[in-house]
Amino acid sequence: DVKVTQSSRYLVKRTGEKVFLECVQDMDHENMFWYRQDPGLGLRLIYFSYDVKMKEKGDIPEGYSVSREKKERFSLILESASTNQTSMYLCASNIHRGLTEAFFGQGTRLTVV
Amino acid sequence: AQTVTQSQPEMSVQEAETVTLSCTYDTSESDYYLFWYKQPPSRQMILVIRQEAYKQQNATENRFSVNFQKAAKSFSLKISDSQLGDAAMYFCAYKTSGSRLTFGEGTQLTVNP
Repeated sequence: DVKVTQSSRYLVKRTGEKVFLECVQDMDHENMFWYRQDPGLGLRLIYFSYDVKMKEKGDIPEGYSVSREKKERFSLILESASTNQTSMYLCASNIHRGLTEAFFGQGTRLTVV
Repeated sequence: AQTVTQSQPEMSVQEAETVTLSCTYDTSESDYYLFWYKQPPSRQMILVIRQEAYKQQNATENRFSVNFQKAAKSFSLKISDSQLGDAAMYFCAYKTSGSRLTFGEGTQLTVNP
């Protein structure tokens, strides 16, 4: 069974903390994505990676960074968490080319207090 | 830049009736892919249906079908014989080969018994 696994389902962090959200996929996909989901705004792309150590900024990269040291793992880093980063974070992966669906993790609901 | 717009934040339908969710997109590409995803309260994103832009025939998956109007850049989802389990947030998404998925704002569908 295809699987994208996010390390935490719920997370509460303090303002100013460095936060790591981890995502692992077992499908040997080239592409991996981090989205942020907010009511009325849909899913907005933060960063994506199309290969190990390769990354590209999405629509809202400010305040975030990413790391992809291995093909199966893609980490989202909040350098100094702020309350406006309270949100749902979704990780996804897919094959690089063609009519391929993206497979999603179950999301991490992050609350920054 | 590609954009995807879902103009209906909320929709409701009676069980066993038919409902249509709207989606429009903006692109200068001629070859691309369109998707409808469903997100139930569990938060797990599930692919409902996909369409390749070069195909004239509208995609169908059981009770789900699309009305793809390429010239109008419209991609609506029709759900026939609605069931209680269809209640979810529905997202329209766009992708070109090798690129990221771009999502709309989402439509929250309620199914009334």
